[in-house]
Amino acid sequence: DGGITQSPKYLFRKEGQNVTLSCEQNLNHDAMYWYRQDPGQGLRLIYYSQIVNDFQKGDIAEGYSVSREKKESFPLTVTSAQKNPTAFYLCASRKGGRDTEAFFGQGTRLTVV
Amino acid sequence: DAKTTQPPSMDCAEGRAANLPCNHSTISGNEYVYWYRQIHSQGPQYIIHGLKNNETNEMASLIITEDRKSSTLILPHATLRDTAVYYCIVRSPRESGGGADGLTFGKGTHLIIQP
Repeated sequence: DGGITQSPKYLFRKEGQNVTLSCEQNLNHDAMYWYRQDPGQGLRLIYYSQIVNDFQKGDIAEGYSVSREKKESFPLTVTSAQKNPTAFYLCASRKGGRDTEAFFGQGTRLTVV
Repeated sequence: DAKTTQPPSMDCAEGRAANLPCNHSTISGNEYVYWYRQIHSQGPQYIIHGLKNNETNEMASLIITEDRKSSTLILPHATLRDTAVYYCIVRSPRESGGGADGLTFGKGTHLIIQP
């Protein structure tokens, strides 16, 4: 089945360590996005990519990095520079164009201790 | 960016129609209105979108006012499984060489379906 997959669902890391969250899609979508969600809050855009080998900062990119070497994959690295990394992270993909909907993964809940 | 305003929470009785309002008074002429919902600890799910005309699909109906400054999402026969946070979003072009589009999520409306 086509879809977007995030792994793992739960992730624990020690403070000061970098951690990479996986996002894979087999929908042949050009655009991919990473969001962060804190308790009781809406989603905030971290990074997005419209095409392979290109990506742009969102509203809260500091302390994060991404790569887009393949169309299907858009991994997010939470670096030690991110001051408050514990959050729910959501990946999405979209075909492109103004009237196409985004498909979301089921999220990764990262806890830094 | 066009912003949206939604009530923070609403209740609806099971089996009744749930009507969720959204204000987007600064919407531009070529911007679409999208609705998503998020069940606790899951990824958001697309519901419906529209530009000017009213839209209906198997999940819901979307009514957009003639001046496009507000819209209403209608769940015709709400069930307990419709309890979720509902997000009204206006597509928001961002500055970049490629003319990227982003989704700006507010806090949404927490819809609670009562048995």
